[in-house]
Amino acid sequence: QKEVEQNSGPLSVPEGAIASLNCTYSDRGSQSFFWYRQYSGKSPELIMSIYSNGDKEDGRFTAQLNKASQYVSLLIRDSQPSDSATYLCAAYDYKLSFGAGTTVTVRA
Amino acid sequence: NAGVTQTPKFRILKIGQSMTLQCTQDMNHNYMYWYRQDPGMGLKLIYYSVGAGITDKGEVPNGYNVSRSTTEDFPLRLELAAPSQTSVYFCASSYSQGDEQFFGPGTRLTVL
Repeated sequence: QKEVEQNSGPLSVPEGAIASLNCTYSDRGSQSFFWYRQYSGKSPELIMSIYSNGDKEDGRFTAQLNKASQYVSLLIRDSQPSDSATYLCAAYDYKLSFGAGTTVTVRA
Repeated sequence: NAGVTQTPKFRILKIGQSMTLQCTQDMNHNYMYWYRQDPGMGLKLIYYSVGAGITDKGEVPNGYNVSRSTTEDFPLRLELAAPSQTSVYFCASSYSQGDEQFFGPGTRLTVL
């Protein structure tokens, strides 16, 4: 059973702060990793993908991957109220396995 | 491009009824997927397809069936609906294995 575990939420951060989201995965064969954002009542949308160890930055978002530790993280810098959503971590081997999600609330 | 579209948006079924959830994509993706999402849970893969005529089971296939006669369409069939099938169903597609998956808007299904 492939498992993806995310830090339990909800996570509440003040506007302008950094939100830190963590994810671990059990399948060492996982090759690709994704962070999806899901607003309440909406479908998931991709915000970051990462395939190799290290950091990947895209605007205010930074994904970090450590395959040896089977760990993926997402940092949201300068958090905005529009970042309030559930963030889903996903790991791909031959299928995409999702974590349960971490709900982030950004306080104005 | 409309992307991935799903119909209906909402549906209430009685126990034992059947229905088909429709999914269409216009991105010429080979790979298509059906997920269900229960409250507070991640997405669980029901079925997937790697191309027209080819389908395979995911994690939670019991009570569902699929077909893929064209590249664009990937309907999900529920036979003998049960309360345990109350969920939000998402269809997704991707160009190839391991690529970003694009999701449809979802179908909220309630079985009473």
